[in-house]
Amino acid sequence: GAVVSQHPSWVICKSGTSVKIECRSLDFQATTMFWYRQFPKQSLMLMATSNEGSKATYEQGVEKDKFLINHASLTLSTLTVTSAHPEDSSFYICSARVVGQFDQPQHFGDGTRLSIL
Amino acid sequence: AQKVTQAQTEISVVEKEDVTLDCVYETRDTTYYLFWYKQPPSGELVFLIRRNSFDEQNEISGRYSWNFQKSTSSFNFTITASQVVDSAVYFCALSEASISYGGATNKLIFGTGTLLAVQP
Repeated sequence: GAVVSQHPSWVICKSGTSVKIECRSLDFQATTMFWYRQFPKQSLMLMATSNEGSKATYEQGVEKDKFLINHASLTLSTLTVTSAHPEDSSFYICSARVVGQFDQPQHFGDGTRLSIL
Repeated sequence: AQKVTQAQTEISVVEKEDVTLDCVYETRDTTYYLFWYKQPPSGELVFLIRRNSFDEQNEISGRYSWNFQKSTSSFNFTITASQVVDSAVYFCALSEASISYGGATNKLIFGTGTLLAVQP
């Protein structure tokens, strides 16, 4: 089956650090990847839609300068949390699906737990 | 606007009991897809089922069954003879087929989730 690998699984770092999270589709090409954020005991909220070779589309209220998204290839998208602060601590999870196949389930990575001290 | 409502925040049952998780959705699209995902304590999302808006047939997969009713905009999920391993947060989700520059975005809109605790 389709596998999405997300790295790292856990990150603990100091306030002010920039953190990069990678999302890779291992056995399929993903023209579109999605980035979600989940606070404890809350639902998944879509942050942005990442399209290969073009700028990401951010959801309302998500700071694009804070959460930099790059989707340089059909198998890799990265999310960089710039100058992270404690309020950015959350569970970040990516998913991938070939665009247009909205009847197919998104394949999710295992998520990244980010803790900012 | 699209919206998914899971009114049950937490459910606790004893092993072997049947349990139904409710999901109500709102959408103006005529074509849409509904999903259920399971999120165990480890955090990963496990895909359970998808259903398109034109297929109202109920589905059964082992101890899991789903009841899709367009008339009430509901897509409920039943676990029969629950087991401790079923303990998790379950999310219902709606996929809209919105079109923007570059093609359909296919965003997933999640409900708030239902925490199911199955006691031994």
